[in-house]
Amino acid sequence: DTAVSQTPKYLVTQMGNDKSIKCEQNLGHDTMYWYKQDSKKFLKIMFSYNNKELIINETVPNRFSPKSPDKAHLNLHINSLELGDSAVYFCASSQRVSGVFSYEQYFGPGTRLTVT
Amino acid sequence: ILNVEQSPQSLHVQEGDSTNFTCSFPSSNFYALHWYRWETAKSPEALFVMTLNGDEKKKGRISATLNTKEGYSYLYIKGSQPEDSATYLCARKGRAGGTSYGKLTFGQGTILTVHP
Repeated sequence: DTAVSQTPKYLVTQMGNDKSIKCEQNLGHDTMYWYKQDSKKFLKIMFSYNNKELIINETVPNRFSPKSPDKAHLNLHINSLELGDSAVYFCASSQRVSGVFSYEQYFGPGTRLTVT
Repeated sequence: ILNVEQSPQSLHVQEGDSTNFTCSFPSSNFYALHWYRWETAKSPEALFVMTLNGDEKKKGRISATLNTKEGYSYLYIKGSQPEDSATYLCARKGRAGGTSYGKLTFGQGTILTVHP
């Protein structure tokens, strides 16, 4: 059973197109995240949702818009794709941080986006 | 230290060797330190989450320590095996107001290669 799944795994598209990446988790977590793995291989947080509410919104172009229809799903829509958007995007989920606990994150397999 | 830094960037050891690497992070407004193991073509998997100064965690041959006052964590692998070959990531979570929704800031990772 896949805990955190992403579709598609690979996405090749042309500049200017609009595309979406979907993420689903079956772990019962209430917090989900989108990360971008940059050219130096760093994982950088883009967005986080808790129970469908946006709680982390890093400085990303507003061409990127996350949408969470329910707490098990967090999709990433990208408008007007640019060459610099080429990267691997990872979805993750965790329990909500509370009290003294910080819960580990569970990552999806990643989506490799190539913009030509 | 302003960012999360890991050293060394890469490490080659022989099977059976014990090894360790370092994660340095800003100590102010610290909330938690995560360690992840990332095998090639897979997703990062959580090893440990530590929050308290002096925390020590162990999972099999892998252990970690945390010093929040000076801002560092060590990961130790005893008797390395080829299957331990992976990138080891640490990530710091800072406090975010009263809700503790601080984001994870990842280091660049230490690439470990264990030679048979």
